[in-house]
Amino acid sequence: KQEVTQIPAALSVPEGENLVLNCSFTDSAIYNLQWFRQDPGKGLTSLLLIQSSQREQTSGRLNASLDKSSGRSTLYIAASQPGDSATYLCAVNDGSNFGNEKLTFGTGTRLTIIP
Amino acid sequence: DAGITQSPRHKVTETGTPVTLRCHQTENHRYMYWYRQDPGHGLRLIHYSYGVKDTDKGEVSDGYSVSRSKTEDFLLTLESATSSQTSVYFCAINGQATTNEKLFFGSGTQLSVL
Repeated sequence: KQEVTQIPAALSVPEGENLVLNCSFTDSAIYNLQWFRQDPGKGLTSLLLIQSSQREQTSGRLNASLDKSSGRSTLYIAASQPGDSATYLCAVNDGSNFGNEKLTFGTGTRLTIIP
Repeated sequence: DAGITQSPRHKVTETGTPVTLRCHQTENHRYMYWYRQDPGHGLRLIHYSYGVKDTDKGEVSDGYSVSRSKTEDFLLTLESATSSQTSVYFCAINGQATTNEKLFFGSGTQLSVL
């Protein structure tokens, strides 16, 4: 059974710093990996999706990398801002060619950017 | 933002009572999902639908049933609510029959079973 781990559970960083969030998974036979952001009391917002054939994806100040062989992904946030404060979750899709019914989520890293 | 509306946003009920949560989408997406989110467990899939009247079980389906009579509506029913079903419930959608389609989430329903 796939297991997804995100360490640390919480992270505080001064504004302006670059930071890296980590995600590890136990079964490397995945189709894709997604990074989500969740604000308190809200649903999840998909940030980046990396296909199994890709090494990285970029969107603005965000860059996600994927190393299937080692079962690891990182989310790099450049020049952090207070508005980046949220919980970041990764999810691995490893069960199907269709839909997202085989997503396994990590428990997230709660990020706080200190002004 | 994707047009997904969950109702109610908050619900308090008593053990043994039936509860129905509604997810409504305006995106005409084919796939719809119900998740629950609990501390220390991440999000776990309850049921999902891949079309009208086409549904299947997820990882934690015991005690839940679903129905999808229209593309835009996906209902989650707790036949007889228990305290272990106290949770935050999220509906999600994606449109394409491919693993490469991102998920869009609703804002969630906080359910408390006393």
